[in-house]
Amino acid sequence: QKEVEQNSGPLSVPEGAIASLNCTYSDRGSQSFFWYRQYSGKSPELIMSIYSNGDKEDGRFTAQLNKASQYVSLLIRDSQPSDSATYLCAVNLGDSWGKLQFGAGTQVVVTP
Amino acid sequence: SAVISQKPSRDICQRGTSLTIQCQVDSQVTMMFWYRQQPGQSLTLIATANQGSEATYESGFVIDKFPISRPNLTFSTLTVSNMSPEDSSIYLCSVPGQGGNEQFFGPGTRLTVL
Repeated sequence: QKEVEQNSGPLSVPEGAIASLNCTYSDRGSQSFFWYRQYSGKSPELIMSIYSNGDKEDGRFTAQLNKASQYVSLLIRDSQPSDSATYLCAVNLGDSWGKLQFGAGTQVVVTP
Repeated sequence: SAVISQKPSRDICQRGTSLTIQCQVDSQVTMMFWYRQQPGQSLTLIATANQGSEATYESGFVIDKFPISRPNLTFSTLTVSNMSPEDSSIYLCSVPGQGGNEQFFGPGTRLTVL
């Protein structure tokens, strides 16, 4: 059974601090990794994709990938109240183009 | 990214009835995907909808319960048949981005079965 694991939270982060979210996956064949943000009552919104080991930065977001450890993380710098949402880690199923497997999500609460 | 719309946005249905959900994309895409998000849960892939061929279902999902149509490259429907309260979920369609593996989601259909 291929799995994607995340801490469910909630992760409480003071405004202006760094939020650190972690995700592990079991399918060694996976090559594509994504972070989605989902506000309550809304559909998931893609915020980061990463395909190679190392760091990828986009604005206040940094994704980190370590395929050897089967680990992907997301850092949110200078956290804002508008970052309060559930963050979903998604991994492509290595043997299937376009199919994603999602973790359960980490709820982030940014407190003013 | 593509603009995706779904109809209806929400519905309340009676047990034993069926509901057809529509997904429209503003550009042609080869593959469309249908996901389910049960209350408080993450997303689970139901099936891949291919134009011109039968949909491919994931383990635990069957065509009799979730028939899918894909009449052209911009449109798909998912029917939830013979509904029970356990089918109460958000149903989302998605299409791939230019990179191929990333998915962009429609706004979802929130279904409540009484």
